[in-house]
Amino acid sequence: EVQLVESGGGEVQPGESLRLSCVGSGFTFNSYWMHWVRQVPGKGLVWVSRIFRDEKGASYADSVKGRFTVSRDNAKNALYLQMNNLRVEDTAIYYCVREDYSNSGFWFDPWGQGIAVTVSP
Amino acid sequence: DVQLTQSPSSLAASIGDTVTITCRASQNIKNYLSWYQQRPGRAPKLLIYSASALHSGVPSRFSGSGSETDFTLTISSLQPEDFASYFCVQSYDTPPYSFGQGTKVEIK
Repeated sequence: EVQLVESGGGEVQPGESLRLSCVGSGFTFNSYWMHWVRQVPGKGLVWVSRIFRDEKGASYADSVKGRFTVSRDNAKNALYLQMNNLRVEDTAIYYCVREDYSNSGFWFDPWGQGIAVTVSP
Repeated sequence: DVQLTQSPSSLAASIGDTVTITCRASQNIKNYLSWYQQRPGRAPKLLIYSASALHSGVPSRFSGSGSETDFTLTISSLQPEDFASYFCVQSYDTPPYSFGQGTKVEIK
């Protein structure tokens, strides 16, 4: 079974840091781009970051650029999101997502179960 | 950046109804659009990819259509487990990846 499992969430104060982890199983992890997507409960989904297969080449949403860093360790089938200088508005459920693909497009599948991050004074 | 406008934001329907959700892109995204279902408290699940391809294991009452800027998700013969939120995502012009605002399907 293809599966993604996140960990590392929690509650922190503004300005603090947190590191999220995601471990993939049931597929060849280093063959896929990986993403982080977040969702404020009751609100829509927002793309946060993407990293290419080879542990290089990352992209970020403007709202997190310069504060968040995505990385991966293909030997461990792991994806990470280092979140620094956290803001109240970063409070959300964070999902680890695989980008699947074919010659006809790209899509998100599967999604991890989500991990809660709360930034509160 | 590509903007996705999804409508309606919510709808009420009865078991057995057919419902249609639309997603409009601000520019041509060919068929690089996918649809997802999200039940409360759960992670999203893929329904449709490449605008019209049914993901493995998804019931055939779900269908997708459209290309370029206008896309539709249709649920035929609505079942109790279909009451959930649905959203679209474009993967043509990235980053960023754009999401629709979501549609909540509720029981009438």
